[in-house]
Amino acid sequence: AQSVTQLGSHVSVSEGALVLLRCNYSSSVPPYLFWYVQYPNQGLQLLLKYTSAATLVKGINGFEAEFKKSETSFHLTKPSAHMSDAAEYFCAARQGAQKLVFGQGTRLTINP
Amino acid sequence: GAVVSQHPSWVICKSGTSVKIECRSLDFQATTMFWYRQFPKQSLMLMATSNEGSKATYEQGVEKDKFLINHASLTLSTLTVTSAHPEDSSFYICSAALSSRGKADTQYFGPGTRLTVL
Repeated sequence: AQSVTQLGSHVSVSEGALVLLRCNYSSSVPPYLFWYVQYPNQGLQLLLKYTSAATLVKGINGFEAEFKKSETSFHLTKPSAHMSDAAEYFCAARQGAQKLVFGQGTRLTINP
Repeated sequence: GAVVSQHPSWVICKSGTSVKIECRSLDFQATTMFWYRQFPKQSLMLMATSNEGSKATYEQGVEKDKFLINHASLTLSTLTVTSAHPEDSSFYICSAALSSRGKADTQYFGPGTRLTVL
């Protein structure tokens, strides 16, 4: 069964620094991959998605993610963190028509 | 585009009562909607998959008689928590799948409903 692993339940960076949130999937067949952001007491907002069209995917709010098949990874990055980026981030994968499988989430804290 | 709403955003009820939560896709038609439950500081747990006009498919361990799901139209799904108890207190989130031809379905999430059972 497909599984998604997010390395680091909590990441803390300084404002203006690079943001790197790690995500690895388990399937030998590349799934569809997604990054979602959740602000406190809110639902999930789609940041970006990988659907095999391009390995580097650009999303909203300056985020991007790179699909690396050899590493079974789909890490999320942003060159310069902003205070408003503080939130919970979820990586998710879906194999074909199967259900969406979420990672455990990474809480991003931005230090002023 | 692809906006999903939920109502109510929060609800407090007494133990033993039933609570209905609505999930609507506002600007698209969703043949499939999903219901998730999220405990504090945890990831989302899929409860059930709801297809318009048919019975919902529940995940293992989820009581279908307790969590009644109705998907009467392409824009509305409802979750009813029957005979609620304090352990049912949680954050319930729905999502709606937007299909585009030849591309992966993308799930768009509602803002969530916080249920507190006293």
